[in-house]
Amino acid sequence: DGGITQSPKYLFRKEGQNVTLSCEQNLNHDAMYWYRQDPGQGLRLIYYSQIVNDFQKGDIAEGYSVSREKKESFPLTVTSAQKNPTAFYLCASSIAGDSTDTQYFGPGTRLTVL
Amino acid sequence: GENVEQHPSTLSVQEGDSAVIKCTYSDSASNYFPWYKQELGKRPQLIIDIRSNVGEKKDQRIAVTLNKTAKHFSLHITETQPEDSAVYFCAASWSGAGRRALTFGSGTRLQVQP
Repeated sequence: DGGITQSPKYLFRKEGQNVTLSCEQNLNHDAMYWYRQDPGQGLRLIYYSQIVNDFQKGDIAEGYSVSREKKESFPLTVTSAQKNPTAFYLCASSIAGDSTDTQYFGPGTRLTVL
Repeated sequence: GENVEQHPSTLSVQEGDSAVIKCTYSDSASNYFPWYKQELGKRPQLIIDIRSNVGEKKDQRIAVTLNKTAKHFSLHITETQPEDSAVYFCAASWSGAGRRALTFGSGTRLQVQP
């Protein structure tokens, strides 16, 4: 299970605040991903990055932002523009950016808006 | 884009029985089909995957079958054990320009009754 870490495990946010979720990997993977998971639903892609300094929007990017300044790190910012941010957020990485490469997930961050 | 439907949403079996979870996909270009297991509060973990050049793949008590003509694939778990209880997700993707991420099904909650 090692190799991909996320912090914090739990995060509470007041309405109107931006918060940043951390994702780090030491697997030397080129590609990294952010997913959102809501109860009873599958994983929905927020953003992904195939290489440093490059990233693309996924299916539900509105209200989120990312950066990829280092290969090891892919932080996700949940902005105040995200109307319903309470969810479980999962980061993943794969050796390359091909969608058929195995993705390995981090332990997740549970975000709750108060 | 790709759409993956997964059934059933919940499945309860007696220990020792078999469990079958089915997924259908919409994009005929999809050629990679992984299955993930997620225990409560934990990260999803890859348990088996299949590529379009084979019709079946087995790993001990787990098997996956693929019917590309009908665009569906299934997960089979034999001799179920209580530790198999979890949420299982199917996913689909294809390798090629313009596609860089998995599309997940909505998940199946499997309960194995001792």
